Amino acid sequence: KAGVTQTPRYLIKTRGQQVTLSCSPISGHRSVSWYQQTPGQGLQFLFEYFSETQRNKGNFPGRFSGRQFSNSRSEMNVSTLELGDSALYLCASSPGLAEYEQYFGPGTRLTVT
Amino acid sequence: GENVEQHPSTLSVQEGDSAVIKCTYSDSASNYFPWYKQELGKGPQLIIDIRSNVGEKKDQRIAVTLNKTAKHFSLHITETQPEDSAVYFCAASKGGGGADGLTFGKGTHLIIQP
Repeated sequence: KAGVTQTPRYLIKTRGQQVTLSCSPISGHRSVSWYQQTPGQGLQFLFEYFSETQRNKGNFPGRFSGRQFSNSRSEMNVSTLELGDSALYLCASSPGLAEYEQYFGPGTRLTVT
Repeated sequence: GENVEQHPSTLSVQEGDSAVIKCTYSDSASNYFPWYKQELGKGPQLIIDIRSNVGEKKDQRIAVTLNKTAKHFSLHITETQPEDSAVYFCAASKGGGGADGLTFGKGTHLIIQP
């Protein structure tokens, strides 16, 4: 089975712009979670989607949003980018409600200048 | 919310020796404890996990132990090899399917000295 794929792998944006990142989960997986990884804060949970519904959200401002499509692919959007949004954004997929294991993609490296 | 502490932040061991990384968690409702290995330029890779109804789990050279009473869990790597060099993260959660999100420790940089 192919793993979790994320596009693009690298992005450079300017403060104030917005960005959309994409994630395709492992085939058959219905849950997609997003995490932010920075040297200072480590890995932090952003939100999780299952069957196109957001089930949980971490402690991030409303500028961070996401959605999931009927084929389980997911996108996350960050509006009005700030320098502090520079990070590795990771997507993880899980088979479903009763399954605990999460499998991560390679991430999208976002740099805000 | 949940808080996960991980120690040490850096661990250097001789090739062939054992390595132990320890984590503590704060929320007694947490019931799932995975360990991830992250190599440079890659996403975290799930290497082993344990649920709260089990005290120990082993997979070849890797083992994880869980003490629910003390709220701590540990990763043990025996007969370390150069390819074990990476950053290791522990995590905790209390939901299935990722619903509750994983709370991660800050990571341990494991260095295997030849």
